[in-house]
Amino acid sequence: DAKTTQPPSMDCAEGRAANLPCNHSTISGNEYVYWYRQIHSQGPQYIIHGLKNNETNEMASLIITEDRKSSTLILPHATLRDTAVYYCIVRVYNQGGKLIFGQGTELSVKP
Amino acid sequence: GAVVSQHPSWVICKSGTSVKIECRSLDFQATTMFWYRQFPKQSLMLMATSNEGSKATYEQGVEKDKFLINHASLTLSTLTVTSAHPEDSSFYICSARDGRGRTYEQFFGPGTRLTVL
Repeated sequence: DAKTTQPPSMDCAEGRAANLPCNHSTISGNEYVYWYRQIHSQGPQYIIHGLKNNETNEMASLIITEDRKSSTLILPHATLRDTAVYYCIVRVYNQGGKLIFGQGTELSVKP
Repeated sequence: GAVVSQHPSWVICKSGTSVKIECRSLDFQATTMFWYRQFPKQSLMLMATSNEGSKATYEQGVEKDKFLINHASLTLSTLTVTSAHPEDSSFYICSARDGRGRTYEQFFGPGTRLTVL
């Protein structure tokens, strides 16, 4: 079963930052937080992952709270092409590699 | 970045026939591959995990005799839906993990849409 909770949908204005929250209150010490997104009728795309420190790459930033019970994915300047379903997943690094998807957040970026 | 392909991208078949879907890692060796299916408006559901040269491990509730998985090489895994029925109509997505490095990331294929008439 998925171990994360996300809002089912969010809207964001084009050019503004999109902040997508995720709760993972039962996360274990050796579990990482991963974010993927799925644009309609395509395979999921990896965005970013982290353990406890904040992470940033060319796509997004990941902010993990100090107690690791929640995190936020930030898309700094959302574009229409960022409209997708965003999945927050926790999994043990290198343990079988299974990614169990929850329901995700459907982000709509509007002009 | 690493690329995973699937073939076919879509297929329509008659009830009772079998359908094979291929998943290939194009520029890396995939020691582990995963198969998911996704119904409309729903999330991805993991069906099985396969390691090259080994039998697949199926998730609870997935019929292994109906969904045959073969991972015969480090770049190819196949999913065969046997005796397909309309309820098997779904979006099937494979994923591959690079066994030599970047093990934190799974690369997903574009998906195969199966319609059973």
